[in-house]
Amino acid sequence: KNEVEQSPQNLTAQEGEFITINCSYSVGISALHWLQQHPGGGIVSLFMLSSGKKKHGRLIATINIQEKHSSLHITASHPRDSAVYICAHPRLDKVGEYGNKLVFGAGTILRVKS
Amino acid sequence: DAGVIQSPRHEVTEMGQEVTLRCKPISGHNSLFWYRQTMMRGLELLIYFNNNVPIDDSGMPEDRFSAKMPNASFSTLKIQPSEPRDSAVYFCASTLGTGYEQYFGPGTRLTVT
Repeated sequence: KNEVEQSPQNLTAQEGEFITINCSYSVGISALHWLQQHPGGGIVSLFMLSSGKKKHGRLIATINIQEKHSSLHITASHPRDSAVYICAHPRLDKVGEYGNKLVFGAGTILRVKS
Repeated sequence: DAGVIQSPRHEVTEMGQEVTLRCKPISGHNSLFWYRQTMMRGLELLIYFNNNVPIDDSGMPEDRFSAKMPNASFSTLKIQPSEPRDSAVYFCASTLGTGYEQYFGPGTRLTVT
């Protein structure tokens, strides 16, 4: 079982719709990352959060540490939001500390139609 | 800042040939990562360096893969000999350190025929 589960795997939306992508993880974490990978292949870090909520433009990321769950929301979606969205968290190392090694979800493929 | 720079962007080679991928991290970043992405397995960490020292290479598939970081501004990932199953996109990323965001390069798409 993957330590990071994302849902849905695929999502098609109409332009303007509000979109939610979910991420659940099975272990305690220090922070959660949301990444975006465009069809061209480049990967961009969207958010890194350890509590509460962060907002950047039309993107909002929330995290509930107790429930081990995070969501990425896109308001007023646009075709240029079409991408793969990946959540990830640092893995505990051998001495029980959170290092740089990330555990990745499988990604959510989002397609926004005009 | 130019971001993380990788070269080449595309590489097509024949099985058995040596392949060298290159990465220049963001200036001032202390950690560098090599990832491989395939449809089947998604993103996988191959190896990462802190202050030019390899910290964790448990993701390196086998002895055919090797990585070096001779200085803070350059790293290489070498595959020798290459095999068709090595075909993937290889990403390099860098970060200021533990607890900071990782910045990814554009990737190198490797095709081994």
